[in-house]
Amino acid sequence: GIQVEQSPPDLILQEGANSTLRCNFSDSVNNLQWFHQNPWGQLINLFYIPSGTKQNGRLSATTVATERYSLLYISSSQTTDSGVYFCAFNAGGTSYGKLTFGQGTILTVHP
Amino acid sequence: GAGVSQSPSNKVTEKGKDVELRCDPISGHTALYWYRQRLGQGLEFLIYFQGNSAPDKSGLPSDRFSAERTGESVSTLTIQRTQQEDSAVYLCASSSWGVTDTQYFGPGTRLTVL
Repeated sequence: GIQVEQSPPDLILQEGANSTLRCNFSDSVNNLQWFHQNPWGQLINLFYIPSGTKQNGRLSATTVATERYSLLYISSSQTTDSGVYFCAFNAGGTSYGKLTFGQGTILTVHP
Repeated sequence: GAGVSQSPSNKVTEKGKDVELRCDPISGHTALYWYRQRLGQGLEFLIYFQGNSAPDKSGLPSDRFSAERTGESVSTLTIQRTQQEDSAVYLCASSSWGVTDTQYFGPGTRLTVL
């Protein structure tokens, strides 16, 4: 079946550090999204990025569809960046409409 | 509306009782999705609607789970004869066009089955 693998599972940073989160997926991509789940459980959209590169402030993301991976970059991290980062992927075809989520990366940013 | 809303935000029920969870999607969004998140886990897909029809129910864990959507707006997820393993956060999402579009999530309903 379709699989999404995220790494690392846990990441601890000092405020101001940079980090890279990785998402590997098992099939050709139709839809790929990055989310941040805050401590209250709300899923916040970061990027819709089935291919290419996007930037939004201190965050940027790149998806290389031909090699089946996506990267999320966080620069100059802040304590408010703490939470769980999820990658979610849809391959189309029989899985049309269904996002398959990775297990997430738990990010902790210390002041 | 401004975002996806869900009610109730929390629901505590006794094993064996039926529960209904409600989702109001973003106004004009034609696609609506239900997911479940167990403690410390990623999200599991349950079902999605395109308009009022449900092309993919593959994620519903058992026949105790059902969902409906009326008027291309509100959806209700019903769990009959709840079991303790049903305890989870149930999240709803909607998207504006087909399934290639960005999915926006509601705050979820935390279900606890005693």
